[in-house]
Amino acid sequence: RKEVEQDPGPFNVPEGATVAFNCTYSNSASQSFFWYRQDCRKEPKLLMSVYSSGNEDGRFTAQLNRASQYISLLIRDSKLSDSATYLCVVNAGAGSYQLTFGKGTKLSVIP
Amino acid sequence: DADVTQTPRNRITKTGKRIMLECSQTKGHDRMYWYRQDPGLGLRLIYYSFDVKDINKGEISDGYSVSRQAQAKFSLSLESAIPNQTALYFCATSDSAGGVPDTQYFGPGTRLTVL
Repeated sequence: RKEVEQDPGPFNVPEGATVAFNCTYSNSASQSFFWYRQDCRKEPKLLMSVYSSGNEDGRFTAQLNRASQYISLLIRDSKLSDSATYLCVVNAGAGSYQLTFGKGTKLSVIP
Repeated sequence: DADVTQTPRNRITKTGKRIMLECSQTKGHDRMYWYRQDPGLGLRLIYYSFDVKDINKGEISDGYSVSRQAQAKFSLSLESAIPNQTALYFCATSDSAGGVPDTQYFGPGTRLTVL
């Protein structure tokens, strides 16, 4: 069964801290990987795609390890506005346009 | 203006009633999706459509039906609502033009309560 597993948290960190989230996926045929952000009672929004070589967008860095079927998200210099739930998302298999969503990791950044 | 809109945003109904949730998009995307989100269960796919003539069941389609009236419109119906269909419902769109699974863009959600 296709699964995306995440630590639900919550992660409570002070402003300015660095925090890392991990995610594992079970379908070795998955080829597209994303991190989405979801604020309370709002729609999920794309934070960043995850590429094989790893990629960075400002304070956010994503890594992919295909051999271990593992994805990570690193947030540096946490801001209060980073408080949200972070969803790990993979496509359902080779060429599939269906996305499988993890249940999310909740982050609270504390003043 | 939002690219993906959903109506209604909130709805309270009674067991056995027929309910329709509507989704419209101005992104020009060909692919549309309906999800439900329950606390602790994450997002689950109900139905998806790759074009007007292509409708597919998702993970949890029982008790639901859909209609793709046009490329920009995709509606979800609950023929006879039951309390365990109380959830937050999201519509999403994506574009197949790139030829690879791509980002999905979500509407603001419909909060449905079935009493």
